[in-house]
Amino acid sequence: EVQLVQSEAEVRKPGESLRISCKASGYSFTTYWIGWVRQMPGKGLEWMGIINPSDSDTTYSPSFQGQVTISADKSITTAYLQWSSLKASDTAIYYCARKGQQFHQVDYWGQGTLVTVSS
Amino acid sequence: DIQMTQSPSSLSASVGDRVTITCRASQIITIYLNWYQQKPGKAPRLLIYAASSLQSGVPSRFSGSGSGTDFTLTISSLQPEDFATYFCQQSYITPYTFGQGTNLEIK
Repeated sequence: EVQLVQSEAEVRKPGESLRISCKASGYSFTTYWIGWVRQMPGKGLEWMGIINPSDSDTTYSPSFQGQVTISADKSITTAYLQWSSLKASDTAIYYCARKGQQFHQVDYWGQGTLVTVSS
Repeated sequence: DIQMTQSPSSLSASVGDRVTITCRASQIITIYLNWYQQKPGKAPRLLIYAASSLQSGVPSRFSGSGSGTDFTLTISSLQPEDFATYFCQQSYITPYTFGQGTNLEIK
């Protein structure tokens, strides 16, 4: 069974750093790209970027380029999303998402990680 | 980025109704269009991919159509569990942008 299990909710202060994780299981981790999607409170879905776990090739949405870093460790089948300096506006639920091979649909989603940034 | 515009933004309907949601892309995306359902507090769920292909396990009352720039999601006979928010997404070019969502409410 394919599963993407994300790390628990986090509370941080503005300016702090953070890394959240997405542990994949039930399939060949290096065969499917993993993306990250943001959902701000009460809002829609925003595509942040995507990584090929096989070679760590990464593409960012222009809106998120330079704001976050996406990485992956294929030895432990885990993808990451990290911030070096959080802002209050980073408060949101973040989902990891497995991209299908032929039509690039998201066929599996993580359960989401709530990140709260507040002083 | 490709802009995705859904309509309507919200919709009230009754159990048993036939409902259609539309999605328009700002440029041609052939059939690289997906539909997701999201319920409160839950991750989105894939319903339709490649414009009209039903994801495994999704009830056949859901269907999708369209190509190019204009697409539709149809629910043939609404069930109580279908009241949720629906998003379209283009997967033609990164970033794989989403529509703003359609909130389907019980009338």
